[in-house]
Amino acid sequence: NAGVTQTPKFQVLKTGQSMTLQCAQDMNHEYMSWYRQDPGMGLRLIHYSVGAGITDQGEVPNGYNVSRSTTEDFPLRLLSAAPSQTSVYFCASRLLMGDTEAFFGQGTRLTVV
Amino acid sequence: GENVEQHPSTLSVQEGDSAVIKCTYSDSASNYFPWYKQELGKRPQLIIDIRSNVGEKKDQRIAVTLNKTAKHFSLHITETQPEDSAVYFCAASKGGGADGLTFGKGTHLIIQP
Repeated sequence: NAGVTQTPKFQVLKTGQSMTLQCAQDMNHEYMSWYRQDPGMGLRLIHYSVGAGITDQGEVPNGYNVSRSTTEDFPLRLLSAAPSQTSVYFCASRLLMGDTEAFFGQGTRLTVV
Repeated sequence: GENVEQHPSTLSVQEGDSAVIKCTYSDSASNYFPWYKQELGKRPQLIIDIRSNVGEKKDQRIAVTLNKTAKHFSLHITETQPEDSAVYFCAASKGGGADGLTFGKGTHLIIQP
């Protein structure tokens, strides 16, 4: 039981490049989400999904796309990277109903130059 | 949407003393309040949570109190130890469903030897 697995752990991009951050969970959680963490800003929700085929925007969705084709996977796509997207990204998952713990991946440190 | 304020942003205490971190929230419909601990370079991990039908919850040296009328909740750590040094995040949600966690900006707790 691996929990929530994110790849890559580190990434450097040039402005304008695109890339996909991968997130997979093996706990059969319906709810998956992506957060970005910036110094002094806490964790801010980018996009979330309540099940396969269903996604929605969070607090800071601009510049990011997501899709959810399976229960297990929830990739985050940066369409055209900008320096403002330099951040640490965390994927998290939990059961959909009830007050349940959110489990986080190990994070991806992204630098856009 | 929900807004969570967290104070202080940095807290330095002597080893063995107590530490208190406070959070306020804005949405009276929120009913689930978890606390996460994030060690340097690691993922956030749940340390304790409280639901709105409970005023206080304790787990060994950590406790959380909730005042729904005032819309604030606090984390109390007693007999602090060096391994308590970390960033702590409070969060609030309406509990389950499509509602995600709204995080405070975090408190950097420093335990002085």
